[in-house]
Amino acid sequence: QKEVEQDPGPLSVPEGAIVSLNCTYSNSAFQYFMWYRQYSRKGPELLMYTYSSGNKEDGRFTAQVDKSSKYISLFIRDSQPSDSATYLCAMSLQGAQKLVFGQGTRLTINP
Amino acid sequence: DSGVTQTPKHLITATGQRVTLRCSPRSGDLSVYWYQQSLDQGLQFLIQYYNGEERAKGNILERFSAQQFPDLHSELNLSSLELGDSALYFCASSVGDRGRSDTQYFGPGTRLTVL
Repeated sequence: QKEVEQDPGPLSVPEGAIVSLNCTYSNSAFQYFMWYRQYSRKGPELLMYTYSSGNKEDGRFTAQVDKSSKYISLFIRDSQPSDSATYLCAMSLQGAQKLVFGQGTRLTINP
Repeated sequence: DSGVTQTPKHLITATGQRVTLRCSPRSGDLSVYWYQQSLDQGLQFLIQYYNGEERAKGNILERFSAQQFPDLHSELNLSSLELGDSALYFCASSVGDRGRSDTQYFGPGTRLTVL
């Protein structure tokens, strides 16, 4: 079993829809949680960064961490075709630099 | 543009060969990380250097090695290449603050194809 599980999709939704992306993890010691966006043939770029539990909002993006359930989510409101990309969750331990990534979910927003 | 540069963009080589991938971190970043991305394994951490010293090791094969030079650029050396080494190799950099997980910025990657 992988440390971080993420449904690879693909996920296809119409423009303007609310998108929900999720990851589950097995290591309860993870403290830092991130979402990266990766466009085709590009490197991952950081979207959201959360420490421990709670919610964080940045524009149309909201990240949620539920440590009791070992479950993290990324919500995208008013989705745009430019949001079409692969979304990767990542997490790390306190004091550690190594990131453990999910498999990535391939998202397509249809105009 | 993340500020992390990687060369070359593409590399095509044969089994058994050796290649070197190069990474220049963002200005001011002391930590460099190497990751491998393949279709079946996803993005996997290989190794981290901080200010010239190895800091953490992940799923890096013995055939692979890396180093970070005094000017902070890093090289990943892959030898005795096998078909299964074909993948995207990413370099990331961060400030490298001890005791917490600081933001890693990824380069554009090097696509390695082993024939």
